[in-house]
Amino acid sequence: AQRVTQPEKLLSVFKGAPVELKCNYSYSGSPELFWYVQYSRQRLQLLLRHISRESIKGFTADLNKGETSFHLKKPFAQEEDSAMYYCALKGSGANNLFFGTGTRLTVIP
Amino acid sequence: GAGVSQTPSNKVTEKGKYVELRCDPISGHTALYWYRQSLGQGPEFLIYFQGTGAADDSGLPNDRFFAVRPEGSVSTLKIQRTERGDSAVYLCASSEGVGYGYTFGSGTRLTVV
Repeated sequence: AQRVTQPEKLLSVFKGAPVELKCNYSYSGSPELFWYVQYSRQRLQLLLRHISRESIKGFTADLNKGETSFHLKKPFAQEEDSAMYYCALKGSGANNLFFGTGTRLTVIP
Repeated sequence: GAGVSQTPSNKVTEKGKYVELRCDPISGHTALYWYRQSLGQGPEFLIYFQGTGAADDSGLPNDRFFAVRPEGSVSTLKIQRTERGDSAVYLCASSEGVGYGYTFGSGTRLTVV
């Protein structure tokens, strides 16, 4: 069975501080991992995916197969980063995404 | 349209009633997905369409839930004999196909009283 765990429901950091949103997964095959973000009063949108290995809005995430983790990191948090963040997994050959329960990030000015 | 459109944005219905939720995907997107998001949870997969056919309906919770996409574009999620536990935000997403990223709609908030 697949599982995505985001252990922190709430995370607060000060502006300019580093931020790390944790995501651990359980899946027997080779998954594809994603981070989705939902800003206040906006729709859910893709932030980044592990196969792209890109940095979006200063965020990066590395897939660690040994630790089955896909933590989202940013070295210097900005106020506009305050949002709800969801980690999601797509199994090999699957059509749908399996989401974690989300972490609400608040960046304190 | 420019994005995925869902109507209505809010729906309040009485327990036992029938409801229909509509999704208008991005033009040309062949894949369409329905998800349900309960309070404090992440989105949960319900059903996936590739073109007109339901390629995967394994997420539908029971036979009160049904979805159609007759012309391969607009989709309707239908819920019969609604229950209070059906209250949630129902999200629709579309993509160019499997392997492409999703574009989500803003959702329909369903409240069953």
